[in-house]
Amino acid sequence: QKEVEQDPGPLSVPEGAIVSLNCTYSNSAFQYFMWYRQYSRKGPELLMYTYSSGNKEDGRFTAQVDKSSKYISLFIRDSQPSDSATYLCAMSVIQGAQKLVFGQGTRLTINP
Amino acid sequence: DVKVTQSSRYLVKRTGEKVFLECVQDMDHENMFWYRQDPGLGLRLIYFSYDVKMKEKGDIPEGYSVSREKKERFSLILESASTNQTSMYLCASSLQGGRNIQYFGAGTRLSVL
Repeated sequence: QKEVEQDPGPLSVPEGAIVSLNCTYSNSAFQYFMWYRQYSRKGPELLMYTYSSGNKEDGRFTAQVDKSSKYISLFIRDSQPSDSATYLCAMSVIQGAQKLVFGQGTRLTINP
Repeated sequence: DVKVTQSSRYLVKRTGEKVFLECVQDMDHENMFWYRQDPGLGLRLIYFSYDVKMKEKGDIPEGYSVSREKKERFSLILESASTNQTSMYLCASSLQGGRNIQYFGAGTRLSVL
């Protein structure tokens, strides 16, 4: 079993829809949770960052962490064609961990 | 702005060649990483370095080596390239401790023929 599981998709939705992307994990020591967005033929870029549990909102994006269920989500409201990309979740423990553990990535397409 | 620069966007090499992939960051980060990214397999860590001349193996180090002679530069070396090393290679850097946020370069797409 992988430490972080993410449905690779592909996921295709119409413009304006609410998108929900999810990851589950097995290591209860994870404390830092991130979402990266990767456009085609580019490197990943940090989209959202959350420490421990709770919600974080940034414009049309909301990141949620449920540590009791070992489940994190990224919601995209009013999705736009420019949101079409691969979304990767990533997480790490607090101390001594330079490394991140990544999900496989979900390929998302927003159709005009 | 944070910047991680990979020397080549596309490379085509022949089987058995020695291949060098270069990465430079301008953020004074202690940590640097090399990943490969393949469809269906996600990002896999090859090697990382937490200081000059220091390196640690990641999940798939076989067939690769690295060099970090200066803080800003981290090189990935394929001693004898093979077709199964055809992939997208991504370099990243991060600040020691804290939030563990990694910043990525644009990637090098390597084809080994």
